[in-house]
Amino acid sequence: KAGVTQTPRYLIKTRGQQVTLSCSPISGHRSVSWYQQTPGQGLQFLFEYFSETQRNKGNFPGRFSGRQFSNSRSEMNVSTLELGDSALYLCASSARQVDEQYFGPGTRLTVT
Amino acid sequence: GQNIDQPTEMTATEGAIVQINCTYQTSGFNGLFWYQQHAGEAPTFLSYNVLDGLEEKGRFSSFLSRSKGYSYLLLKELQMKDSASYLCAPSSNRDDKIIFGKGTRLHILP
Repeated sequence: KAGVTQTPRYLIKTRGQQVTLSCSPISGHRSVSWYQQTPGQGLQFLFEYFSETQRNKGNFPGRFSGRQFSNSRSEMNVSTLELGDSALYLCASSARQVDEQYFGPGTRLTVT
Repeated sequence: GQNIDQPTEMTATEGAIVQINCTYQTSGFNGLFWYQQHAGEAPTFLSYNVLDGLEEKGRFSSFLSRSKGYSYLLLKELQMKDSASYLCAPSSNRDDKIIFGKGTRLHILP
């Protein structure tokens, strides 16, 4: 069974631009969660989608948004990028909410 | 709300035993996950405790005390490959969230 995939793996953007990251969960998994990881703050929860519905949201500004498609693939979008958005963005999928999560390799975003 | 406390760093010797503690305050606590994350890699699942007590899985064991808001991860017969960050992550049935602690970076010395 193929693991969680994320594209792109690396991204360099300029302040003010916007970015879209993609996540393909393990086949059959309906829950997709997104996390931001930085050295100082650790792994911070962004949001969770289950069957195309956002079920949970973390404490991030409205510039961070996401969606999930009928095939469970998910995208997250960050608009008006700031330097502080530089981080590793991880996607994790699970069969159910509050279940063992399988993480993708992440997208390393650098904002200059 | 959520409050998770685990040591930032620990050092242990190859072949020894180490215990990584985690205390939490979680509204609607349901269970607690432990994940391992090697530098530059994604976290991988180690254990999930819902009931009080110790659960053993090979060299790794995880303990939970719901009444004390306390968990630990016990690693035996340490190997160099165990050098990694260990993330404590309680889950809540109030909002179906899993919130990760900042992790404990474990250094293994030969």
